[in-house]
Amino acid sequence: EDQVTQSPEALRLQEGESSSLNCSYTVSGLRGLFWYRQDPGKGPEFLFTLYSAGEEKEKERLKATLTKKESFLHITAPKPEDSATYLCATRGQGAQKLVFGQGTRLTINP
Amino acid sequence: GAGVSQTPSNKVTEKGKYVELRCDPISGHTALYWYRQSLGQGPEFLIYFQGTGAADDSGLPNDRFFAVRPEGSVSTLKIQRTERGDSAVYLCASSFFGGHSSYNEQFFGPGTRLTVL
Repeated sequence: EDQVTQSPEALRLQEGESSSLNCSYTVSGLRGLFWYRQDPGKGPEFLFTLYSAGEEKEKERLKATLTKKESFLHITAPKPEDSATYLCATRGQGAQKLVFGQGTRLTINP
Repeated sequence: GAGVSQTPSNKVTEKGKYVELRCDPISGHTALYWYRQSLGQGPEFLIYFQGTGAADDSGLPNDRFFAVRPEGSVSTLKIQRTERGDSAVYLCASSFFGGHSSYNEQFFGPGTRLTVL
């Protein structure tokens, strides 16, 4: 059974303090590792898809990386508006459903 | 263009009642998904439609849950004899194509918050 585990559950940073969020996964035949951002009371907002180990993608202050067992979401010099829950999900071979982790709740203090 | 829309945004019902939740996917998206999200958790898969047919309903928790997509666009999630444990946010997502060889991203709606009293 596919499993996704995110750590830490919650993270508080000061504005400008860079850090990384972790997503560990086990999946049969990875067909995509997805990162989403979710604000309170809203649906998940798509950020990145990574397909193979070694791949990296960037968007503003965020960079996602992928290995065969985990993915990292690096946040550089974060701002208060980056505060949100970040969700990681995998899609396995032969499946369309996404399997999500429980999320990391990120708070950036000004 | 417009994103995925869901109605109602909030639904409060009593235990034992029947509810319907509606999802309008992004125009042109052939694949549609329902997920359920409990407080503090990630979304959990319920069902996936490719066109009008349910291609994977392995996530439906029991036979009180049913979903339809009669014309391949709008979908309705139906819950019979609601229980307090059904309280959650029900999310709908759509993607351009749901084929096994595609790497399509799923775009989510805002969700319907269901509360069963």
